[in-house]
Amino acid sequence: GAGVSQSPSNKVTEKGKDVELRCDPISGHTALYWYRQSLGQGLEFLIYFQGNSAPDKSGLPSDRFSAERTGGSVSTLTIQRTQQEDSAVYLCASSFQGPQAKNIQYFGAGTRLSVL
Amino acid sequence: GQQVMQIPQYQHVQEGEDFTTYCNSSTTLSNIQWYKQRPGGHPVFLIQLVKSGEVKKQKRLTFQFGEAKKNSSLHITATQTTDVGTYFCAGGSEKLVFGKGTKLTVNP
Repeated sequence: GAGVSQSPSNKVTEKGKDVELRCDPISGHTALYWYRQSLGQGLEFLIYFQGNSAPDKSGLPSDRFSAERTGGSVSTLTIQRTQQEDSAVYLCASSFQGPQAKNIQYFGAGTRLSVL
Repeated sequence: GQQVMQIPQYQHVQEGEDFTTYCNSSTTLSNIQWYKQRPGGHPVFLIQLVKSGEVKKQKRLTFQFGEAKKNSSLHITATQTTDVGTYFCAGGSEKLVFGKGTKLTVNP
């Protein structure tokens, strides 16, 4: 595809349920980021994947949050036992990182998660 | 770890007024990037600055990178309603770190 694709675009779930959010990065991009953005707020860093390196999970707010990136491409962010405070837009971004690369991040349209 | 601070958090201007947002890093940056997020949209890359003291212009937008490569600014001349949105700076040699953004509203 031409850009970063995220699915679903909207997700409504009940408190306590698990959810999976998917991100398809731009083909060939080595780095993938997940962010959370609450209404009217900034970008909260969650997790960062770069190539085959161990992911930087320093932004994950609790052990209910996890993410994986399979085959260096598609990534899934999983939230277990969702809480109402998890309601936000979850944004994924990818970039190509290399010696001559600009490391520009391209964002998907996000998944709007609503926990009832 | 590296921190990127951005001020002001909010700015409301009358159409035609100028606007500036400032970005400061706790460490020297290899480069600084600026992004714009329109209401209801996602952040979109605007520009990257790499050199110490660099100044770049995009129409009414002027971007500066400080001599010490620890601060940057975005200045918009004669704002228009189309400038509404949140402006983020971001820096980092490998992992990009975003500032919290400046939300700009423009009164027509």
